[in-house]
Amino acid sequence: AQSVTQPDARVTVSEGASLQLRCKYSYSGTPYLFWYVQYPRQGLQLLLKYYSGDPVVQGVNGFEAEFSKSNSSFHLRKASVHWSDSAVYFCALTGNYKYVFGAGTRLKVIA
Amino acid sequence: EAAVTQSPRSKVAVTGGKVTLSCHQTNNHDYMYWYRQDTGHGLRLIHYSYVADSTEKGDIPDGYKASRPSQENFSLILELASLSQTAVYFCASSDPTGGNYAEQFFGPGTRLTVL
Repeated sequence: AQSVTQPDARVTVSEGASLQLRCKYSYSGTPYLFWYVQYPRQGLQLLLKYYSGDPVVQGVNGFEAEFSKSNSSFHLRKASVHWSDSAVYFCALTGNYKYVFGAGTRLKVIA
Repeated sequence: EAAVTQSPRSKVAVTGGKVTLSCHQTNNHDYMYWYRQDTGHGLRLIHYSYVADSTEKGDIPDGYKASRPSQENFSLILELASLSQTAVYFCASSDPTGGNYAEQFFGPGTRLTVL
């Protein structure tokens, strides 16, 4: 069965600090992996996606993610967070055109 | 210009009542989806549709029906609303030519409270 686990329900970081949000997946084949962000009172928006190639993939607004097959992980990173990055971040994978989402990590950026 | 819109944005319903949530997309996408979001859970797929006049059951279809009368419109119907159906509901669309790599485009969500 395919699944996505985001072990951190909430993360708080200071503005300007670096960020890593963790994502672990379970999938029998080669996964298509995604990170989405949900700002308050909005739908989800795509940050980045990965299927193959360079394991580090760049996304919007300075985000990047690194795929690791050996660790079954797809962690999201940002070198320097801004207060506007406060949101809920979802990791997801697809198979058969259906998405499986993690529970999300709520990021709070403080001054 | 919002490409996926949902109505209503919020709704309070009574237990046992009928609720219809509507979704409209202007992306010209064939695939549409209904998800529910609960605190502490990711989005879970309720129903989806590959083409007009056809719907498929997702992972949690019990208590829900779906209707896709046209490419642009996709409705979620709760015939007998229950307390456990209190949640935020999201509609999404995607282009099938992207295959499993296709981005999903989400509406802003409908907050449903069943009392």
